Amino acid sequence: DQQVKQNSPSLSVQEGRISILNCDYTNSMFDYFLWYKKYPAEGPTFLISISSIKDKNEDGRFTVFLNKSAKHLSLHIVPSQPGDSAVYFCAASARGTYKYIFGTGTRLKVLA
Amino acid sequence: DGGITQSPKYLFRKEGQNVTLSCEQNLNHDAMYWYRQDPGQGLRLIYYSQIVNDFQKGDIAEGYSVSREKKESFPLTVTSAQKNPTAFYLCASNLGPDTGELFFGEGSRLTVL
Repeated sequence: DQQVKQNSPSLSVQEGRISILNCDYTNSMFDYFLWYKKYPAEGPTFLISISSIKDKNEDGRFTVFLNKSAKHLSLHIVPSQPGDSAVYFCAASARGTYKYIFGTGTRLKVLA
Repeated sequence: DGGITQSPKYLFRKEGQNVTLSCEQNLNHDAMYWYRQDPGQGLRLIYYSQIVNDFQKGDIAEGYSVSREKKESFPLTVTSAQKNPTAFYLCASNLGPDTGELFFGEGSRLTVL
């Protein structure tokens, strides 16, 4: 049972345009959400997070939006750059737990 | 400069052999984790440890064992009982629940021949 889903395995975007990566979750106990970026054969690096008390968090070119009623979050990258080409994972956790549940990832390709 | 070090980066093993993956952190984090990554399956939790001398099974613990004798170290043993051991293994750490993101090491690629 996949509690965190990333339904788009891949996404291609032109350089300078917006990239939108989506993530859905099923567990209403999740209250903290994270996005990670991963290059092949390397560990994931943390990008941005959001708590369930917010509906938006912004850090430079990266913005995460959370829609609790839809159990949906999205990561916006504006403007997209070729160096953003990587696999992006969303993850979720519930208060007081040690478990972070990861989605299956979306491979983003930014075309120059 | 602080971080998580995993070794070896690449490891080959014959079927039937146990192998131990090392994970060391100097971030003074209490909690440590092992994840496994397979193509199209994201990251799945194998084991985690909240404090020294304590650890809990994750979602896919069968065929794996861990120890946490020191705060800095959380080695993972992939035993011969693990049916599909070929994968990319990731170690992570943080201060504990509700403290923010996980910090990951660079990973170890295990290939069973």
